[in-house]
Amino acid sequence: AQKITQTQPGMFVQEKEAVTLDCTYDTSDQSYGLFWYKQPSSGEMIFLIYQGSYDEQNATEGRYSLNFQKARKSANLVISASQLGDSAMYFCAMREGFRIQGAQKLVFGQGTRLTINP
Amino acid sequence: DSGVTQTPKHLITATGQRVTLRCSPRSGDLSVYWYQQSLDQGLQFLIHYYNGEERAKGNILERFSAQQFPDLHSELNLSSLELGDSALYFCASSRGGREDQPQHFGDGTRLSIL
Repeated sequence: AQKITQTQPGMFVQEKEAVTLDCTYDTSDQSYGLFWYKQPSSGEMIFLIYQGSYDEQNATEGRYSLNFQKARKSANLVISASQLGDSAMYFCAMREGFRIQGAQKLVFGQGTRLTINP
Repeated sequence: DSGVTQTPKHLITATGQRVTLRCSPRSGDLSVYWYQQSLDQGLQFLIHYYNGEERAKGNILERFSAQQFPDLHSELNLSSLELGDSALYFCASSRGGREDQPQHFGDGTRLSIL
C-alpha cells in the first residue's frame, strides 16, 4: 500500500533562508507522481509542484524545487529565500499509476508546519 | 483562486441531521474527488467521480454518499451525522486520471457537529 512519511511535525526558519521539507514514500509501482501542497491557516489547499517517477530532472516552480531521489524514495521540497507568507502547513502526496484500479486518489503525509520568523 | 468552488464554506448542525456539500469543478475538468481532513485522521480520500461515473471509493462511510451530475458538479451527502464527522471537507478536480495531472482543491467546507 502507498505510504507517505513526513518526519518533521514543525520547522522554524529565519526569513530569507532556504528550507528543506522532508518526504519519503513507499510504493511498489514503477509509475507514480509526487505532489506538494501548501495549506495556509485560512485552510485552502494550494498545489505547489509535481514530480513524476520517470522524470530525470528535478521539478522546479519559481522558489520551489523538488529534490527527488528515486532510489531512496524521497521527494523533499526546497523553498529558496523564504518569505513570511510561506508560513503554512505543507503536505507531500503521492498518486500511483493510472493502470492501478482506483489509483487516481492522492495519499497524503501528515504534514509539516513551517513557521518563518522575521 | 483554484477555480474549484465549494459551498457552503461553513456548516453547523446537530447530531442525526443530514447535510449536502456542493462542488463545482474547474472548467474542463472531468474528475472530481472528495477528501476529508480531520485532526486525528489527517487528509483521507473519500470518493472519485469521472464524467459522472464513480471510479473509486476510499474510506467513505455508508452514511455518506456522493454523485456527479451531467454538468459535472458534484454533491457529497452526509446523513445521520455524528460528532466525529466534524471535519474540513475538500473537493478537488483534475482533467482526467493521469498521474501527472495535479488535483486542484476548493477552499473546503468546514462542518461542525454540535
